[in-house]
Amino acid sequence: EAQVTQNPRYLITVTGKKLTVTCSQNMNHEYMSWYRQDPGLGLRQIYYSMNVEVTDKGDVPEGYKVSRKEKRNFPLILESPSPNQTSLYFCASTHLAGGLTSYEQYFGPGTRLTVT
Amino acid sequence: ILNVEQSPQSLHVQEGDSTNFTCSFPSSNFYALHWYRWETAKSPEALFVMTLNGDEKKKGRISATLNTKEGYSYLYIKGSQPEDSATYLCAFRGNAGGTSYGKLTFGQGTILTVHP
Repeated sequence: EAQVTQNPRYLITVTGKKLTVTCSQNMNHEYMSWYRQDPGLGLRQIYYSMNVEVTDKGDVPEGYKVSRKEKRNFPLILESPSPNQTSLYFCASTHLAGGLTSYEQYFGPGTRLTVT
Repeated sequence: ILNVEQSPQSLHVQEGDSTNFTCSFPSSNFYALHWYRWETAKSPEALFVMTLNGDEKKKGRISATLNTKEGYSYLYIKGSQPEDSATYLCAFRGNAGGTSYGKLTFGQGTILTVHP
């Protein structure tokens, strides 16, 4: 089954404790992206990757890191989480051939992160 | 951060009513406009990707139009049903060169509630 998986789905952590949210897709997609969703602010893009070893900042990259060492995985790293990073996080992927308009974006199930 | 706005913020209609929402976006460096449907406790689901001025797309009772010169898109739902209740998101892709078309800016969404 074609899917995007995220782990963990729920996480409560404390300020400053480094954490990684994993994202994996089994569709051989070139493009992957991370978003956060906050009430009243909609979805905001954190980082995106056009392919292995190619990553770019979205609209809200501060406090986050990403890496794309393999095509299928795109982990989101919070080196020193703070309470303002409490949010619902979504990973998504798309096939890139023909441009990003040719294929729909598949979203993962979301990770709800609480930083106390 | 680019300005992508949706109106209205929320909408309540009766079953069988037809309705429409608006997404406004920058009219320069246009690459694509996406529409998503997002049900509570689920992940966003792609509805349409629109690229050309004057584009019209249709999926069942849902259709969308695009005006890139003036920077707006309309989403129409004909004969609304309770299962259409969801948040409808639009997202803008610009192209300012390089891999910038990988950046996706979402509107805040229109919350549609269809009453039986």
